[in-house]
Amino acid sequence: AQSVTQLGSHVSVSEGALVLLRCNYSSSVPPYLFWYVQYPNQGLQLLLKYTTGATLVKGINGFEAEFKKSETSFHLTKPSAHMSDAAEYFCAVSPGYQKVTFGTGTKLQVIP
Amino acid sequence: AAGVIQSPRHLIKEKRETATLKCYPIPRHDTVYWYQQGPGQDPQFLISFYEKMQSDKGSIPDRFSAQQFSDYHSELNMSSLELGDSALYFCASSFNSGGNTGELFFGEGSRLTVL
Repeated sequence: AQSVTQLGSHVSVSEGALVLLRCNYSSSVPPYLFWYVQYPNQGLQLLLKYTTGATLVKGINGFEAEFKKSETSFHLTKPSAHMSDAAEYFCAVSPGYQKVTFGTGTKLQVIP
Repeated sequence: AAGVIQSPRHLIKEKRETATLKCYPIPRHDTVYWYQQGPGQDPQFLISFYEKMQSDKGSIPDRFSAQQFSDYHSELNMSSLELGDSALYFCASSFNSGGNTGELFFGEGSRLTVL
């Protein structure tokens, strides 16, 4: 079975500050890990994914995440927050490319 | 590139009515997943189909049923609607090759409001 824990349902950062959204996973098999972003009243957009290989993955809009097996973590970072980053972010896990299990989401607020 | 198409995008129904949501996967994709996202909630897996057969089942209420047709599109039928069924319903599709399922691609979702 797979599960995801996102620490912090709401995160506020100042514009230009570092964004760090935390995600820890549990998986009985080597996981595939994903970060999705959802803007209000919109669908899910894939930000980035880790399947195999390089543990630091870069995604769209300047986001990146690092898979740390020893810490069972897949935290999402962005060096400098932009107002347009305000959205809800979901970490997700799957056993390979199969059904995805989502975390409870983290709402990111960017303060001007 | 073609994406996953869901229709209708918005639907308003009364309690106890029936609703049908449709999902058209990316061409050549043979697997479809349905998710339900309630207000302020994370998406919850409902059910999936591979080659027109149910492949996995999640927290889908007995009032709901779904199927995948010969052209690989899928429909989610919801009967005896309750207020709690108001949610955003996502469909995702993937291509399963040699037993390995490919990446899931999500549609924009269908928003159901039950009054």
